[in-house]
Formats: sequence, structure tokens, C-alpha cells
Amino acid sequence: KAGVTQTPRYLIKTRGQQVTLSCSPISGHRSVSWYQQTPGQGLQFLFEYFSETQRNKGNFPGRFSGRQFSNSRSEMNVSTLELGDSALYLCASSTLAGLSYEQYFGPGTRLTVT
Amino acid sequence: DQQVKQNSPSLSVQEGRISILNCDYTNSMFDYFLWYKKYPAEGPTFLISISSIKDKNEDGRFTVFLNKSAKHLSLHIVPSQPGDSAVYFCAAPSEYSGGGADGLTFGKGTHLIIQP
Repeated sequence: KAGVTQTPRYLIKTRGQQVTLSCSPISGHRSVSWYQQTPGQGLQFLFEYFSETQRNKGNFPGRFSGRQFSNSRSEMNVSTLELGDSALYLCASSTLAGLSYEQYFGPGTRLTVT
Repeated sequence: DQQVKQNSPSLSVQEGRISILNCDYTNSMFDYFLWYKKYPAEGPTFLISISSIKDKNEDGRFTVFLNKSAKHLSLHIVPSQPGDSAVYFCAAPSEYSGGGADGLTFGKGTHLIIQP
């Protein structure tokens, strides 16, 4: 089975721009979660989607948003980029929510904001 | 406020010896814990988990111990091998989901270095 894929792997943007990151979960996985990893804060939960609905959201500003499509693929958008948004963005998928806590991570998208 | 804490940013262990990675948590509602391993330029990989109804779970060289009264868990790797050099994260289901599977709260990680 193919793992979680994320595109692009690396991205450089300028402050004030917006960015869209993409995630394809493992086939059959309907839950997709997004995390931000920074050296200072570690891995922090952004939001989770299940069946095209955002079910949970972490403590991030409204500039961070996402969506999920009917094929479970997900996108994450960050608007009005700030320098502090530079991070590794990780997507994780899991099977039936509530029955499994195990999440399978993609390799991440390294975003650099200049 | 961090609900899952890994107080050792790094740990160096000789090959063949036991590696012990520690994790403390503050939320007594957490009922499931996971350990992830992360190599540079890769996403975290699930390693082992434990439910709060157990105090030990073993999988090959990896054993996780849970002490609920102390709100402490530890990951033991024995014997340690060079390929074990990585960052290890302790995690618990996120407060935002009320303990469901929908988000994980991670510790900041411990960088394990296995010395030859």
C-alpha cells in the first residue's frame, strides 16, 4: 500500500503571500490530520478532517484553513504568510476515527517564508 | 501549557546497551499513549502504543511502561542499535478531540544518539 504523500516537499514564499499544501492519505483512510513542526514548539495539531468535514481544530489563527475532498485528499491553506509560519507541515492519515489512535505520517512539506 | 513533556532533549547511549526515554503527562484524562520515531527529512513513524488499562506493552526490542499514578511513561530499547538513532516523540490523543483519535498532542521529542 502506498504511504501518505505530500506535495510539494519544499516551498519558499514571501511574507504576505498565501500557500496551499496537498496531502493524499493512505488508500482507505478517511481521516486526515495536519500538524506543524517547529524547533521551538515541536509538533502541534492544526486540524483534522473526516468525510470532508473539519471535526477538530487546534489553537491556530484563522489564516490556517483546510479542506478535504470526496476522495479523502486534503489541502491546507495559509494566507497572509508570516515569518513565523516557516515550519515543516505534516499530514497524517488514519483509518476509522475513534477506533484507532495510530496515525500514519507523510514526509512533510518544508515551508520557508522570507 | 504542555500536556505531554519530554524533559530530555537528547540522550546518548552506547550500542548494545539499554536506551530509556522518558515522558510525563499532566492530563489525567489521557487514556492512550503512543511513541513515534522520526528520522531527518521524514515524517514520524509509529513505533509502539499503550492503553491506560495496561502498565506494560512489549514489541520486540521495544517496551513501553506506564505509571498512571506518577503520570509517567518510558520507552525502553534493548539492545540499542545504530539504526535507532532518531528523534523519539511521546504522544497522547489531543485535548481538542476529547480523547478521540482525531489529533495527537506530542512532546517536544528526545534525540537519541547510539554511539558505536
